[in-house]
Amino acid sequence: GNSVTQMEGPVTLSEEAFLTINCTYTATGYPSLFWYVQYPGEGLQLLLKATKADDKGSNKGFEATYRKETTSFHLEKGSVQVSDSAVYFCALSDRKGYQKVTFGTGTKLQVIP
Amino acid sequence: ETGVTQSPTHLIKTRGQQVTLRCSSQSGHNTVSWYQQALGQGPQFIFQYYREEENGRGNFPPRFSGLQFPNYSSELNVNALELDDSALYLCASSSAQGGRNTGELFFGEGSRLTVL
Repeated sequence: GNSVTQMEGPVTLSEEAFLTINCTYTATGYPSLFWYVQYPGEGLQLLLKATKADDKGSNKGFEATYRKETTSFHLEKGSVQVSDSAVYFCALSDRKGYQKVTFGTGTKLQVIP
Repeated sequence: ETGVTQSPTHLIKTRGQQVTLRCSSQSGHNTVSWYQQALGQGPQFIFQYYREEENGRGNFPPRFSGLQFPNYSSELNVNALELDDSALYLCASSSAQGGRNTGELFFGEGSRLTVL
């Protein structure tokens, strides 16, 4: 079945540091890939997505590139802010029939001033 | 645009009881999915409803059931509650054509269930 593996947290960074959160996946066919974010006290929200190989999703300074050859979708940001502190979930949807999104276990990011 | 709303936000039940959780989907969305998120884990897919019918289910027993109404709102029912059912239950709405969609989900803030 489908699965998503992401680096364990928590990740603690100083403001303006570079962020990478690793994510790899296992799926049949050509899934769509996503990063969702959960800010404290809020629901999950879509951060960015990519639907085919070599696509780059981007939003709010975050980027991730769909790498089919390495089955990866690593999240990066060049300069994190305190407001980026949240839990980040890598996810995939295999687009077969009904929609089921498979999530990773989440990586908690804490940015300190 | 009205977002996804869930109720109640918190509730406490005892083992063996039954619970109903409710969800109003985002305006214009015709598909509702339910997810269970245990503490420190990612959301796990329970099932999805499209046009008032269940059209996909994860690895959850039949005591987890649901409904979708003509206005696309939804209920999640859990019978014979067990301690392991304690979790955050998330409702997500999306827009689908022919039961297929992009994987973009719009989540509510969840209902936190504690089973004692």
